[in-house]
Amino acid sequence: GNSVTQMEGPVTLSEEAFLTINCTYTATGYPSLFWYVQYPGEGLQLLLKATKADDKGSNKGFEATYRKETTSFHLEKGSVQVSDSAVYFCAPGAGSYQLTFGKGTKLSVIP
Amino acid sequence: DAMVIQNPRYQVTQFGKPVTLSCSQTLNHNVMYWYQQKSSQAPKLLFHYYDKDFNNEADTPDNFQSRRPNTSFCFLDIRSPGLGDAAMYLCATSKGTQSQHFGDGTRLSIL
Repeated sequence: GNSVTQMEGPVTLSEEAFLTINCTYTATGYPSLFWYVQYPGEGLQLLLKATKADDKGSNKGFEATYRKETTSFHLEKGSVQVSDSAVYFCAPGAGSYQLTFGKGTKLSVIP
Repeated sequence: DAMVIQNPRYQVTQFGKPVTLSCSQTLNHNVMYWYQQKSSQAPKLLFHYYDKDFNNEADTPDNFQSRRPNTSFCFLDIRSPGLGDAAMYLCATSKGTQSQHFGDGTRLSIL
């Protein structure tokens, strides 16, 4: 089955700082890769995805590139805002459409 | 807007007293999932329905059951809740192998 190793948090950044959350995975075949975000008290929301090697997913200023050679899908944002404070989950999805979630990285952005 | 709706948002039950959580969707997705998420942990898949086909994860306790009477609704039944079942329960849907869409969850407390 799939597994994912995600950068442990919590991560605390000042507003407008650069964000990187590392994610590496092991999988058979070529999974789709997802980042989900969970705001306090809410369910998960799809943030971005990539379905094949070298694809770049992007949304709300966040980006992640599917790197097959390093089996990575690191999340980046050039300038974080207080409203980005949330827990971020990396998840490869196998052809069986079942997601394997990482443990989550809690991000706190302070003004 | 099409969405995944979970009711109630907060549910309190007594130790050993059966409880049912509900999920409805207006996305007309053919796959519905139930996840358990304990505090500061990744969501853990309990089971899913692909159309009418029920798929149970190997490590899902027998205490947890599910029903899907039609495309739009799915229920999670916990027959005899124990203290360890206190968690957030997340419902998600997808169209086949495409991205999963989550509800806001039901937080279950056990007295």
